[in-house]
Amino acid sequence: DAGVIQSPRHEVTEMGQEVTLRCKPISGHNSLFWYRQTMMRGLELLIYFNNNVPIDDSGMPEDRFSAKMPNASFSTLKIQPSEPRDSAVYFCASSPGTGIFDGYTFGSGTRLTVV
Amino acid sequence: AQKITQTQPGMFVQEKEAVTLDCTYDTSDQSYGLFWYKQPSSGEMIFLIYQGSYDEQNATEGRYSLNFQKARKSANLVISASQLGDSAMYFCAMRAYNNAGNMLTFGGGTRLMVKP
Repeated sequence: DAGVIQSPRHEVTEMGQEVTLRCKPISGHNSLFWYRQTMMRGLELLIYFNNNVPIDDSGMPEDRFSAKMPNASFSTLKIQPSEPRDSAVYFCASSPGTGIFDGYTFGSGTRLTVV
Repeated sequence: AQKITQTQPGMFVQEKEAVTLDCTYDTSDQSYGLFWYKQPSSGEMIFLIYQGSYDEQNATEGRYSLNFQKARKSANLVISASQLGDSAMYFCAMRAYNNAGNMLTFGGGTRLMVKP
């Protein structure tokens, strides 16, 4: 299995531009999570999907952030318009299910820099 | 609500020595899972070891072992015979059946630095 695949690995964009981060979860995994990691705030859960349905988006910082999961093999996180404070590493993770024994497999992350 | 506390922001250990990274958790649930992840400087999050709340034996995976003390609500990670490649951030996490999402809750992490 190729693991969780995220693209791009690095993204540099100008303030005000739209940014789209992509994630392909492990085949057969029913849950997908988007996290943001910064030095100041650590790992923050942004949104969680189960069977392609958003379950908890309370971590999405504001309306500029949106996430979709149109099918079981693809998810996007979009920031529009982007701001310098959005600069962070964004991780996608997937999990086989919602059991207490189901750990997460993380992608390699997307390092976003907004200038 | 669930909470994971890692009280050691940073630690040094001499190469080849053992090191213990502390993790305490707070939950009212009886059933839960505890996880440790490693994040090297390259940035990826690597799963290390898992312990279930009903597991009677402490989990072990190679040089990693989990010192699980349920009454104290602690799940410390022990790394034996430290190697330079063990230098990384280490995150403790917990998953329990106490909310609609029963998601993993992460601690703030401990940065381990192995000295040659």
